Amino acid sequence: KAGVTQTPRYLIKTRGQQVTLSCSPISGHRSVSWYQQTPGQGLQFLFEYFSETQRNKGNFPGRFSGRQFSNSRSEMNVSTLELGDSALYLCASSEALRGQSTGELFFGEGSRLTVL
Amino acid sequence: AQSVTQPDIHITVSEGASLELRCNYSYGATPYLFWYVQSPGQGLQLLLKYFSGDTLVQGIKGFEAEFKRSQSSFNLRKPSVHWSDAAEYFCAVFGPPRRDDKIIFGKGTRLHILP
Repeated sequence: KAGVTQTPRYLIKTRGQQVTLSCSPISGHRSVSWYQQTPGQGLQFLFEYFSETQRNKGNFPGRFSGRQFSNSRSEMNVSTLELGDSALYLCASSEALRGQSTGELFFGEGSRLTVL
Repeated sequence: AQSVTQPDIHITVSEGASLELRCNYSYGATPYLFWYVQSPGQGLQLLLKYFSGDTLVQGIKGFEAEFKRSQSSFNLRKPSVHWSDAAEYFCAVFGPPRRDDKIIFGKGTRLHILP
């Protein structure tokens, strides 16, 4: 099976712009979650999607949003970028059999966003 | 609220030496417990997991971890480290499965290997 694929791997934006990141989960995995990783804050949970519905959300401002499509692929969007949004954004998928997560996650390699 | 503490930010060991990375958690019951590893520029990879049963669990790459309920700990061990083990290691907890649960990660321990 192919792993979790994230695109783009690297991107540079300027303050005020917006960005969209894409994540293709492992085939058959219905849950997709997103994390922001920075040296200062570590790994922080952004949100989780299951069957096209957001069922969990972290403590991030409304500038951070996401969605999931019927094929389980997911996108996250950050609007009005700030310097502090520079980070590695990680996507993870999980099987979530019968809708229940187990915490066993399969991560992509991440999208590294630099905001200038 | 759930929390995970990895008290060591950096650890340096010599190649061939044994390794133990510490992890303590706070949770009202026994959560699911995990260790993930992140190599530079990569995503995280699951090393091992504990759901229930035998408190000593084996993982990939020769790692093992022991769950100690009395100490709320889930320490990661390896008898002999290799240079390729240099990476960042994350302990994580996940409450009994509910639809709205989310996994909580520790801050990570960066492992350095001396030749």
